[in-house]
Amino acid sequence: QVQLQESGPGLVKPSETLSLTCTVSGGSISSYYWSWIRQPPGKGLEWIGYIYYSGSTNYNPSLKSRVTISVDTSKNQFSLKLSSVTAADTAVYYCARRIEYYDILTGYQYYFDYWGQGTLVTVSS
Amino acid sequence: QSVLTQPPSVSGAPGQRVTISCTGSSSNIGAGYDVHWYQQLPGTAPKLLIYGNSNRPSGVPDRFSGSKSGTSASLAITGLQAEDEADYYCQSYDSSLSGWFGGGTKLTVL
Repeated sequence: QVQLQESGPGLVKPSETLSLTCTVSGGSISSYYWSWIRQPPGKGLEWIGYIYYSGSTNYNPSLKSRVTISVDTSKNQFSLKLSSVTAADTAVYYCARRIEYYDILTGYQYYFDYWGQGTLVTVSS
Repeated sequence: QSVLTQPPSVSGAPGQRVTISCTGSSSNIGAGYDVHWYQQLPGTAPKLLIYGNSNRPSGVPDRFSGSKSGTSASLAITGLQAEDEADYYCQSYDSSLSGWFGGGTKLTVL
């Protein structure tokens, strides 16, 4: 059974960089896509971005200028950095495995099959 | 603001059948993109409930079913149980090259 666990500071000051790591256990990080998703308190889910185990990435256009996702296959981990944070970045941050598949009519599609438990990051001075 | 619209809340009594809609447009669901559903129990992470419009992952009871027609999709829950009380999210892809979650629906079991 694949398990994901987020780790990192729970409090970040405004204008600083949020850094989180997701550790994957029970399976290899190879051959899959891995994502970060966040959920502001009392609100819905927002996709942040994803990385392939080989290192290729794609980010939500609304966050692209501030986001960096990286992978360390030797540690079975991938990480998120979000720069210049404000109070609007306060959220529970989830890591998840992204399953990508091909449909002959529409092309590539995806869903998330395994999720971490989430970690609350508060942006405050 | 999401391109996928869900009702903010639905409710039903134990044993009843409820449905949750997810309405999109011709650039996402109507274009043929699949819809996936997630269940988020209070204080927990989302869990994959339905993938590819109507497929259940192993372990998901057959009380949960999904369907898609035109620019909308639906999640149906039969034999409603107290433990089904949760937030439910649909997810699909849009031809704007972005993935989207619906705004979420809170299911209350009366």
